[in-house]
Amino acid sequence: QKEVEQDPGPLSVPEGAIVSLNCTYSNSAFQYFMWYRQYSRKGPELLMYTYSSGNKEDGRFTAQVDKSSKYISLFIRDSQPSDSATYLCASQIQGAQKLVFGQGTRLTINP
Amino acid sequence: NAGVTQTPKFRVLKTGQSMTLLCAQDMNHEYMYWYRQDPGMGLRLIHYSVGEGTTAKGEVPDGYNVSRLKKQNFLLGLESAAPSQTSVYFCASKEGDYGYTFGSGTRLTVV
Repeated sequence: QKEVEQDPGPLSVPEGAIVSLNCTYSNSAFQYFMWYRQYSRKGPELLMYTYSSGNKEDGRFTAQVDKSSKYISLFIRDSQPSDSATYLCASQIQGAQKLVFGQGTRLTINP
Repeated sequence: NAGVTQTPKFRVLKTGQSMTLLCAQDMNHEYMYWYRQDPGMGLRLIHYSVGEGTTAKGEVPDGYNVSRLKKQNFLLGLESAAPSQTSVYFCASKEGDYGYTFGSGTRLTVV
């Protein structure tokens, strides 16, 4: 079993919809939780990060971590075609030097 | 500011051939990483380095070797390429706990 599990999709939604992307993890020592966005044939770019539990909002993006259920979520409001990409969740133990990724979810926003 | 630069961007190898992938960063980061990305598998850590002259194994190190002779460079070597090493390889460097910067990737095909 992978330490971080993510539904690979693909997920296709109409422009303007609210998108919910989710991951689960098994290692209770994880403290840092991140979401990366990866456009086709590009490297991953950090989109959001959260330390421990809670919510973090940045424009149209909201990241949530629920450590009690080991659940990581990313919400995209008013989705745009430019949001079409693969979204990767990732987790890390504090002080460790290794980032553990989920499989990635391919998202398409249809105009 | 170039960030993380990977060379080459594409390569086709025959089974049994050797090659070296070069990663260079200009951000003075201590930590550097090599990941491979395969469909449905997310990014998996091959090797990493916590400073000049150091290397450590990641999740999938077999068949690869690395060297960090200079702080700005991290080399990934394949001594005898196998078709199972067909993948997209990403290099990353890190500052702090979560500030990972990825290169644009090297697409390697082993035939």
